[in-house]
Amino acid sequence: DAGITQSPRHKVTETGTPVTLRCHQTENHRYMYWYRQDPGHGLRLIHYSYGVKDTDKGEVSDGYSVSRSKTEDFLLTLESATSSQTSVYFCAISDPSGRGETQYFGPGTRLLVL
Amino acid sequence: SQQGEEDPQALSIQEGENATMNCSYKTSINNLQWYRQNSGRGLVHLILIRSNEREKHSGRLRVTLDTSKKSSSLLITASRAADTASYFCATETNTGKLIFGQGTTLQVKP
Repeated sequence: DAGITQSPRHKVTETGTPVTLRCHQTENHRYMYWYRQDPGHGLRLIHYSYGVKDTDKGEVSDGYSVSRSKTEDFLLTLESATSSQTSVYFCAISDPSGRGETQYFGPGTRLLVL
Repeated sequence: SQQGEEDPQALSIQEGENATMNCSYKTSINNLQWYRQNSGRGLVHLILIRSNEREKHSGRLRVTLDTSKKSSSLLITASRAADTASYFCATETNTGKLIFGQGTTLQVKP
């Protein structure tokens, strides 16, 4: 696996509470992504980052915010979790500048919002 | 709506047989990629084919791309039980982002 870790790996929380998921990479890749995976929908892009402090919205960004203060860390925050945000969240990295457009995925975080 | 649509949604074969899965997409692309996901794990990149390529091989994998029909196929030859997984196609458009299909679940029976 590429040097990507996600924490926590599993989390149960209650509706209305804030939740932060962390993605950490050791590859020094410029691009980082957050996806969610739900049955019947495949993977959908939530937010992505193309550099420190440079982020943009994806397909399903409502209810989520992100921050990237260091190259290696990309945080995904659910300000007030809802049951519809129960999902498996994947972080991915890529480095299009030199190695093509392949994305490398972390192991995922399974989030249950009660 | 999803850019990539895989077909079939599920496929069950015997070890040693070939597995073919198809992907259709809607808009023009820079490249198309195939990923594998084992149960409970992250996705792993298998192969990338660019819009100006028609066929590509990697080990037991063969990918074709027909841009006129906006479709691609992934062939896994001489399948093994370890090939059991979900397979996703992903298209990269001019936005630079990947759009994933819903996947094909492949079961290879020993």
